[in-house]
Amino acid sequence: AQSVTQLDSQVPVFEEAPVELRCNYSSSVSVYLFWYVQYPNQGLQLLLKYLSGSTLVESINGFEAEFNKSQTSFHLRKPSVHISDTAEYFCAVSDGQAQKLVFGQGTRLTINP
Amino acid sequence: EAQVTQNPRYLITVTGKKLTVTCSQNMNHEYMSWYRQDPGLGLRQIYYSMNVEVTDKGDVPEGYKVSRKEKRNFPLILESPSPNQTSLYFCASSPKINYGYTFGSGTRLTVV
Repeated sequence: AQSVTQLDSQVPVFEEAPVELRCNYSSSVSVYLFWYVQYPNQGLQLLLKYLSGSTLVESINGFEAEFNKSQTSFHLRKPSVHISDTAEYFCAVSDGQAQKLVFGQGTRLTINP
Repeated sequence: EAQVTQNPRYLITVTGKKLTVTCSQNMNHEYMSWYRQDPGLGLRQIYYSMNVEVTDKGDVPEGYKVSRKEKRNFPLILESPSPNQTSLYFCASSPKINYGYTFGSGTRLTVV
């Protein structure tokens, strides 16, 4: 069975500072990895995903995540955050056998001016 | 506009009174799923469907039912709601396996 651990429940940072949100997974088979973002009072939006190929994937709003198979990690990074990045971020994993997408507990990113 | 629509957005009900949360998608997606979100637990999958008349249990199916009679609709049924089903519920759909889900705006359910 797959599982996902997001190592930080809350991450406070200052505006324009870099940020890393950590995600580790466990699975006995090849995996597909996702990051979703949830803005206040909204549903989840897909931020980026890793299916195969290049281990570094990017989103349109400056986030990137790197798939590290040996460390079973898929950490999310942004070099300079903005107030508008304030949200909860969820890491998720699927083994491709069905649409059983398993989510982590979420990391609440708070940006201070 | 391509979207997943859930109704209602908010619902307060009493223990034991049957209710249905509707979900509809206009993207002709094959895959649909229901999740519940609880603080500190993230999202947990209740049921999912890979096509019309094909459904399967997720990680927390107890107390819930689903049906997929049409491709666009995937209602969630609580036959006898209990207070431990108070939660934020999300419906989601996807065109292909591992393509990534599109989520609805959520239904906040309170069972008293």
